[in-house]
Amino acid sequence: EAQVTQNPRYLITVTGKKLTVTCSQNMNHEYMSWYRQDPGLGLRQIYYSMNVEVTDKGDVPEGYKVSRKEKRNFPLILESPSPNQTSLYFCASSSGQGSFYNEQFFGPGTRLTVL
Amino acid sequence: DQQVKQNSPSLSVQEGRISILNCDYTNSMFDYFLWYKKYPAEGPTFLISISSIKDKNEDGRFTVFLNKSAKHLSLHIVPSQPGDSAVYFCAASLGYNDMRFGAGTRLTVKP
Repeated sequence: EAQVTQNPRYLITVTGKKLTVTCSQNMNHEYMSWYRQDPGLGLRQIYYSMNVEVTDKGDVPEGYKVSRKEKRNFPLILESPSPNQTSLYFCASSSGQGSFYNEQFFGPGTRLTVL
Repeated sequence: DQQVKQNSPSLSVQEGRISILNCDYTNSMFDYFLWYKKYPAEGPTFLISISSIKDKNEDGRFTVFLNKSAKHLSLHIVPSQPGDSAVYFCAASLGYNDMRFGAGTRLTVKP
């Protein structure tokens, strides 16, 4: 089954404790992206990656890091989480063929709470 | 600044009737528009899209209309079904990667 998986699905942590949210896709997609969803703001892009070892900032990259060492994985790293990073996070991927940004496949989301 | 706006946080319609979800955007350079549907505890799923060179795209019960002069996008669902109850996000993209999402509209279809 074609899918994007994220782990963990739920996480409660404390300020300053480094954490990683993993994302993996099994569709051999070149493009992957991270979003955060906040009430009244919709989804905002954090980082994206066009291919292995190619990453770039989205709209709200501050406080986040990413890496793309393998095509299928795109982890999101919070080196020193703060309460304003409490949010619902989504990973997405797309083939990049034709309309590059068309039809992104989203993971199920990770709800992060930073105390 | 929110370049894509969905001004109605919620919409309730009767089963079998038409649902019309609206979306406004400010950047005339957007070249592709998409609608995503999201159920609770799941990620958004792609529903339908339209290129800026078109004014209508239809897929079964779903039709998206684009009015570039008004910078307005709408999604029509006919007939609406209870299973359509979800949050709908409008999105607009610029170039190869710059996708902006609206805040979403929660659609409730009553049996």
